[in-house]
Amino acid sequence: DGGITQSPKYLFRKEGQNVTLSCEQNLNHDAMYWYRQDPGQGLRLIYYSQIVNDFQKGDIAEGYSVSREKKESFPLTVTSAQKNPTAFYLCASSIGTGLTEAFFGQGTRLTVV
Amino acid sequence: KNQVEQSPQSLIILEGKNCTLQCNYTVSPFSNLRWYKQDTGRGPVSLTIMTFSENTKSNGRYTATLDADTKQSSLHITASQLSDSASYICVVRSNQGGKLIFGQGTELSVKP
Repeated sequence: DGGITQSPKYLFRKEGQNVTLSCEQNLNHDAMYWYRQDPGQGLRLIYYSQIVNDFQKGDIAEGYSVSREKKESFPLTVTSAQKNPTAFYLCASSIGTGLTEAFFGQGTRLTVV
Repeated sequence: KNQVEQSPQSLIILEGKNCTLQCNYTVSPFSNLRWYKQDTGRGPVSLTIMTFSENTKSNGRYTATLDADTKQSSLHITASQLSDSASYICVVRSNQGGKLIFGQGTELSVKP
């Protein structure tokens, strides 16, 4: 079954802790993205990767880190430096840029307690 | 500044009625425009993708229009169903770096 999978669906973190969100795709897509969604706002780009072992900062990269060691995987770490991490996080992938379709995972809701 | 603005912010309609959602953008250079449907707590799912040369594109009961001159798009939903209740997001891709710019979404609620 082809698709993009995020885990976990819900995540709770204590203040001061780092936490890693998983994103895996078996669509053979080169490009992968991480977005943050807050109520009443459009999705904002955190990081993106167009090829293995390469990634670029998006609009709100501060307090986040990523890696792209495998084509299928693009994990996002929310560090303690992120001042307001409670949000809904969405991972997406696409074959490339331009007219290509972007497929989204089901999201991870992170709550800081 | 590249922006995508959607209206209304929220909308309540009765089952079976039609509705139209609006999207205005200032993204330049323009590559394409997409409409996504996002159910609560889920990831967005694509409804349509339109390029500069396309005026209308349909997907079942969903019809999207694009006026590249006025930089406006609309999504028309015909004979609404309860399952249409969701957030509808307009997304414009810029030709500059292929960046996606997201609107804030319109929250549609279909009541029986």
